[in-house]
Amino acid sequence: DSGVTQTPKHLITATGQRVTLRCSPRSGDLSVYWYQQSLDQGLQFLIQYYNGEERAKGNILERFSAQQFPDLHSELNLSSLELGDSALYFCASSVMTDSYEQYFGPGTRLTVT
Amino acid sequence: GESVGLHLPTLSVQEGDNSIINCAYSNSASDYFIWYKQESGKGPQFIIDIRSNMDKRQGQRVTVLLNKTVKHLSLQIAATQPGDSAVYFCAERGGSYIPTFGRGTSLIVHP
Repeated sequence: DSGVTQTPKHLITATGQRVTLRCSPRSGDLSVYWYQQSLDQGLQFLIQYYNGEERAKGNILERFSAQQFPDLHSELNLSSLELGDSALYFCASSVMTDSYEQYFGPGTRLTVT
Repeated sequence: GESVGLHLPTLSVQEGDNSIINCAYSNSASDYFIWYKQESGKGPQFIIDIRSNMDKRQGQRVTVLLNKTVKHLSLQIAATQPGDSAVYFCAERGGSYIPTFGRGTSLIVHP
């Protein structure tokens, strides 16, 4: 158990809908990262927050957004969902903004039908 | 559990054998490399890392070798056990502290 929690574990929704994925980092970790893992793409970095502020952006679509709250938990919002958004979404956390070691949560499996 | 990928390279070994998983990286400026293990239905788990000023690093039953000349990384697992069955990813960092992950290799250990 990495200490990172993610909810929900599974999510099934229809195209065009909006969903929110939640992540609680390890106790004491200030940095949260979001990744998308699809069958044909592997792990793709989406976005990083550190102590409430956005620090780095990767291949994140404009339909996706995230935020980190004062209690350090983070939410990833996915809107106008498309079939191709079906994937595993992982959250990871680390102590510092540039920590080499990231701890991953168990992921949320999103299925868009 | 959920499968990570359907089209990954696969390495099948017998329990007790040594396993070698290879990874080619793309950025010659990468200065830090990490191996992750991902079991079915779980998130990636850090195994071992190595900086670019080293060519070998050993952990418990695992060794990572780095060949910067040919941009190649390998993970050696000694006395492979059924619990080692998983997908193994290498990741590189260069310029940005956000790692770039490889596609992964599926290791299957037969008892």
